[in-house]
Amino acid sequence: GNSVTQMEGPVTLSEEAFLTINCTYTATGYPSLFWYVQYPGEGLQLLLKATKADDKGSNKGFEATYRKETTSFHLEKGSVQVSDSAVYFCALISTSQGGSEKLVFGKGTKLTVNP
Amino acid sequence: EPEVTQTPSHQVTQMGQEVILRCVPISNHLYFYWYRQILGQKVEFLVSFYNNEISEKSEIFDDQFSVERPDGSNFTLKIRSTKLEDSAMYFCASTRFPNSPLHFGNGTRLTVT
Repeated sequence: GNSVTQMEGPVTLSEEAFLTINCTYTATGYPSLFWYVQYPGEGLQLLLKATKADDKGSNKGFEATYRKETTSFHLEKGSVQVSDSAVYFCALISTSQGGSEKLVFGKGTKLTVNP
Repeated sequence: EPEVTQTPSHQVTQMGQEVILRCVPISNHLYFYWYRQILGQKVEFLVSFYNNEISEKSEIFDDQFSVERPDGSNFTLKIRSTKLEDSAMYFCASTRFPNSPLHFGNGTRLTVT
């Protein structure tokens, strides 16, 4: 079945450091890919998305490029801030044989950014 | 911006009791979901709901679970006889179109004692 594997944390960085969180997927076809973020005590928020190969999703300084050849969707940010401390989830849309769709999540990567 | 709202934010219940978790999806959304996240673990799909019926359910969603859309706005998850292992954060989500990003509520933390 469709699945997502992402780099397990926790990841601890200093402010202004470069961030990469790796995500690879296994899927039939070319599913839409997402990064969701969960700030402490809050729900899941969509961070960015890409719907086809070579698409680049971007938001709040974060970027991820849909790489079909490596089945990857790595999250990057050039200069992290303390306020970026959160748990980041990579996800894909999975379609069942019956045609219904659901999000399938990776295990999440906890990021802590220190001042 | 419209948002998905969930109540209560925290529910404590004794093992064997019934609980109902409530959600108000975004008003023009058509597809509804429940997910759960056991503390420190991944977010797991429970069930999807469209056109007043279940579209898909996971292995977790056994006979103890049910969902309902009793009126035009609420979407509820009922657990008939809670177990200790049902303790988790339960997230409701909705979307207007298939293959579109899901909008999540802030979750209900269920603690079964």
